Amino acid sequence: GAGVSQSPSNKVTEKGKDVELRCDPISGHTALYWYRQSLGQGLEFLIYFQGNSAPDKSGLPSDRFSAERTGGSVSTLTIQRTQQEDSAVYLCASSLSAGYNYGYTFGSGTRLTVV
Amino acid sequence: GENVGLHLPTLSVQEGDNSIINCAYSNSASDYFIWYKQESGKGPQFIIDIRSNMDKRQGQRVTVLLNKTVKHLSLQIAATQPGDSAVYFCAENQAGTALIFGKGTTLSVSS
Repeated sequence: GAGVSQSPSNKVTEKGKDVELRCDPISGHTALYWYRQSLGQGLEFLIYFQGNSAPDKSGLPSDRFSAERTGGSVSTLTIQRTQQEDSAVYLCASSLSAGYNYGYTFGSGTRLTVV
Repeated sequence: GENVGLHLPTLSVQEGDNSIINCAYSNSASDYFIWYKQESGKGPQFIIDIRSNMDKRQGQRVTVLLNKTVKHLSLQIAATQPGDSAVYFCAENQAGTALIFGKGTTLSVSS
């Protein structure tokens, strides 16, 4: 597609429920990134995928968070047993590669609210 | 207008003024730096980048300056316009690692 697409754009869930957030990267982009942005804050790195390599999961805040990328394209970020502190905007980005000089293209994010 | 120091969350300028947004990055091994602009309800948008083998790079109305000695990055916006109002983030990384973002500066441009 023309840009990075994320769905849903908004999600309200009850505390304790699981949620899945979806990201469709730009076609041909081999690198895909997930970030979290709490209200009024900067972007917190969560996880990134580069081609067929093992993902860098170093930013995941707890084992309730996981992500997968199927077929080197679409990615799903799953949060299990959601907590109120998980409320944030979850941003996905893709780039041609994880190497130099490849700026990221971001989606508009999924705003997650845990009530 | 200019913000100085590790993190100044807001910068207010008049339309037509030049704006300078500063950023202190953390990792001396970082060799790639980017400035992003984020408008309300949208994802960050690429503005300009610079590699560590350069100390200045110019784009359309924007200039990025890099001082590796003090680990400082700045974004200069010439003739600031109301449409430049947004949150600006600097980001850094090394090859093969994900971008690490700074806290952001909110630029407010008044007519």
